[in-house]
Amino acid sequence: EADIYQTPRYLVIGTGKKITLECSQTMGHDKMYWYQQDPGMELHLIHYSYGVNSTEKGDLSSESTVSRIRTEHFPLTLESARPSHTSQYLCASSELQPGTVVTGELFFGEGSRLTVL
Amino acid sequence: AQKVTQAQTEISVVEKEDVTLDCVYETRDTTYYLFWYKQPPSGELVFLIRRNSFDEQNEISGRYSWNFQKSTSSFNFTITASQVVDSAVYFCALSEASQGAQKLVFGQGTRLTINP
Repeated sequence: EADIYQTPRYLVIGTGKKITLECSQTMGHDKMYWYQQDPGMELHLIHYSYGVNSTEKGDLSSESTVSRIRTEHFPLTLESARPSHTSQYLCASSELQPGTVVTGELFFGEGSRLTVL
Repeated sequence: AQKVTQAQTEISVVEKEDVTLDCVYETRDTTYYLFWYKQPPSGELVFLIRRNSFDEQNEISGRYSWNFQKSTSSFNFTITASQVVDSAVYFCALSEASQGAQKLVFGQGTRLTINP
């Protein structure tokens, strides 16, 4: 069972509001990720981090920002939410395979479903 | 560029039937990793299997089996004697060693419904 937690699970907010989606993991993993999942199911990587103070943009451009001040915490922030941001956001973490530079499986949280009115 | 295609958007079968979920991938790397994940209604993705490109042995785990064929760039997933609890969305994913296998690219997903 993965120890990675996301809050809130569901959020409905109005346009223009600032929101932060929280993600925490207790496995000590260095690598963390945010994926955005379309209503049509497809997942797209929007942010990832190799470790503390490391953040990178993913394959899908996103207006959100992330920070990684602590190993276990990788919050995602939208400064001004819009209806186009309505989606499910999934956080994940992983660690290196022992003795390699290759990451192993990703462990996922249950997701945060955001609806912007 | 890497790409994963799951051509079957939705599959519906009756319980106890066998079902195969198709996955075709594209990559220019010779070293890469393939994954299958299950997403039940609760939302989280559950890891099922990881296979590297040098290991073409098929794998069986209980009612689940995976058929990896590099010649056709496919990594298909079969559920034998399906059960209602197998109903979920299943994702195939790929990561490339040239990127340190740090990022996964997912297919579009296949929604599997097992009817009693």
